[in-house]
Amino acid sequence: QVHLVQSGAEVKKPGSSVKISCKASGGTFSNYALCWVRQAPGQGLEWMGGIIPIFATSKYAQKFQDRVTITADESTTTAYMELTSLTFDDTAVYYCARVGIFGVVTGYFQYWGQGTPVTVSS
Amino acid sequence: DLQMTQSPSSLSASVGDRVTITCQASLDIGNYLNWYQQKPGKAPKILIYDASNLETGVPSRFSGFGSGKNFTFTISSLQPEDIATYYCQQYDNFPRNTFGQGTKLEI
Repeated sequence: QVHLVQSGAEVKKPGSSVKISCKASGGTFSNYALCWVRQAPGQGLEWMGGIIPIFATSKYAQKFQDRVTITADESTTTAYMELTSLTFDDTAVYYCARVGIFGVVTGYFQYWGQGTPVTVSS
Repeated sequence: DLQMTQSPSSLSASVGDRVTITCQASLDIGNYLNWYQQKPGKAPKILIYDASNLETGVPSRFSGFGSGKNFTFTISSLQPEDIATYYCQQYDNFPRNTFGQGTKLEI
C-alpha cells in the first residue's frame, strides 16, 4: 500500500514562494508519476503538474507553466512542488497524488496525500 | 480547449435511491474518464477509472459507463456514507488532467 505524507500548513505573503513536500512510502517510487492537485476554498480540483521520478522530467498544466516547479528525490522518495509569485488566488489546499498508470503523468490518481493548506495573506 | 461539463452541481436524494451523475466532454476522450468521491476535509478517493472499472475495495453499488463524449456515474442504492462531492476527471497525453465542477450529493 502506498502512503503519501505531506508537509504542514503554510502562510505566505503575496509575491513570495512556497515549497511543499510529499514523502512516499510503500510501492515503487520511481516509475509512477507524482502529481500536484490544488483546491481553493469551496472550489473544485485543479491539476498543476507532475513528475515521473525515474525520468526526472516534469510536465505542467499551461496555467502554471511559468510559476511551478516539481521535483523528486529518489534517495528520499520525496516529491516537491514550488510555486512562486504567490497571489491571494493561490490560497488553497495542495494535494500530492500518485498516478495509477505506469510511466505517465496523466491517468487516474490512485493514492493521495492528506493535503497541505497554503494561505496567502498580507 | 477541452471542457468537462458535470451535472447536476448538487443533488438531494434519499437512502436507497438510485443516483446518476453525468459528465460530458467537449471532445472525444475515448474512455479516459475517472470518478472520485470527496468528503469534507478529506482528499479525494478514486472510485471508477477508465470510465467503467471499479477500483479495488470500492463497493459494487458504484458504477460508471460511457465513452467518447458522454459518461455517467451511478450509485445503485444510496447509503448514508455516500454523502460527498463527486468529481469526474478526464486525462490525455497533452498532457492534461481536467476535473469536472463537482456534484454535491445530499440526503
